[in-house]
Formats: sequence, C-alpha cells, structure tokens
Amino acid sequence: QKEVEQNSGPLSVPEGAIASLNCTYSDRGSQSFFWYRQYSGKSPELIMFIYSNGDKEDGRFTAQLNKASQYVSLLIRDSQPSDSATYLCAAGLDSGGSNYKLTFGKGTLLTVNP
Amino acid sequence: GAVVSQHPSWVICKSGTSVKIECRSLDFQATTMFWYRQFPKQSLMLMATSNEGSKATYEQGVEKDKFLINHASLTLSTLTVTSAHPEDSSFYICSAQTGVGNTIYFGEGSWLTVV
Repeated sequence: QKEVEQNSGPLSVPEGAIASLNCTYSDRGSQSFFWYRQYSGKSPELIMFIYSNGDKEDGRFTAQLNKASQYVSLLIRDSQPSDSATYLCAAGLDSGGSNYKLTFGKGTLLTVNP
Repeated sequence: GAVVSQHPSWVICKSGTSVKIECRSLDFQATTMFWYRQFPKQSLMLMATSNEGSKATYEQGVEKDKFLINHASLTLSTLTVTSAHPEDSSFYICSAQTGVGNTIYFGEGSWLTVV
C-alpha cells in the first residue's frame, strides 16, 4: 500500500526561526512531490513541488528531495505567525495517460509563536 | 497559479436527498480532475479520478452509484452525492491537473452537512 508519512505535530517554532517539516514515502515509483498548506476549514494551497533530487528554493521556502532515502522535506525560513497551518506532503505517481495521482500524508500542524 | 472554483461552498441537505457539487477550472483546461473527501483532522482521501469524456475511476471502498461523477467538459466536473446520509457529511474538495508539469490545483472545497 502506498503511504506518505508525516509527523502530525504540533511543531512549534518562534517567529523568525526556521521550521523544518519532514515526509517519507513508501512507493519508489513516485515521481514528484508536492507541499500544500491548509488552513483550518480551507482547501489546500500549493506551496511548491519538486521532481529532482536536491534542493529547490522559492522565496522563504526550500524543498529537499532524497529519492534514495525516500525522504522529502520543507524548510520555512523566517517563519511568520501567518505560516501557522497544517502542511500536507503529497507524492505523485503518473498513472498513465493524463492521470497523475497524489497520495497525501496526514499533515503536520505548524504553529509559529509571535 | 491556476484557479479552480467549487460551488457551493456550503450546503445543508436533508437525509435521503441528493446534492450536486461543481468543480470548474477557470483559466485552463483540465483533462483530469480529482475528487477528495476530508473528515475533520483527517487527511485528504481520494475518492475518484475523473477524465473528460470518460467514466470516472473510483478508489476502493467508494460507491460509484452513490457518488456520481460527471466530467462533461475540459473545465467542469460535477460530484453528485445521492441519497445522502449524515455520515456523508464532510469537506469535499476537487482538484484539477494542468498540462504544464502536471501540477494539481485545488478548489476551495465544499462543506456538506446532511441533517
């Protein structure tokens, strides 16, 4: 069974610190990885995605992928209280044709304290 | 990013009735749309994959006759919950896949309450 594992948290960091969110996946066939932010009662919002091993930076966010270890992480620099949310990690698998299935982790609740 | 719109955002229906939720990709054509359900403090659970012009593919355990999915055009997919019961009350979210990089964007979600 394909699984994506995340620490449910809560992860608490002070404002201005670096928040580190981790994710592991079981399906070695997964080809792409997505990080979504979900505020309570709202739909997930895409933060960034990564396909290749290594780091990918976008503003205050850095995604890291290590396919050998089946590990994905998201770093948030200069954390702000507005970053407080649940962060969902998803592994994507090309199911053929135009299909592209995502398997989601249960999410990590991040709290940034002012 | 791409915009995916869901309607209605909130719906309350009586037990035994049916309710339809629409998912539209506003600024791109989506050959594939996905329908998820999320119970409180739970992860997103994929219900079905919807391809334009063909029958939806349902995940194991999801009743296709209860959750009717229609993907009539490249910008619209609908989910109809038939004979709804209180246990169907949940947050239903659609997502649409763009052709560029296969990125998937989510709609705003629809809260369904069955009373």
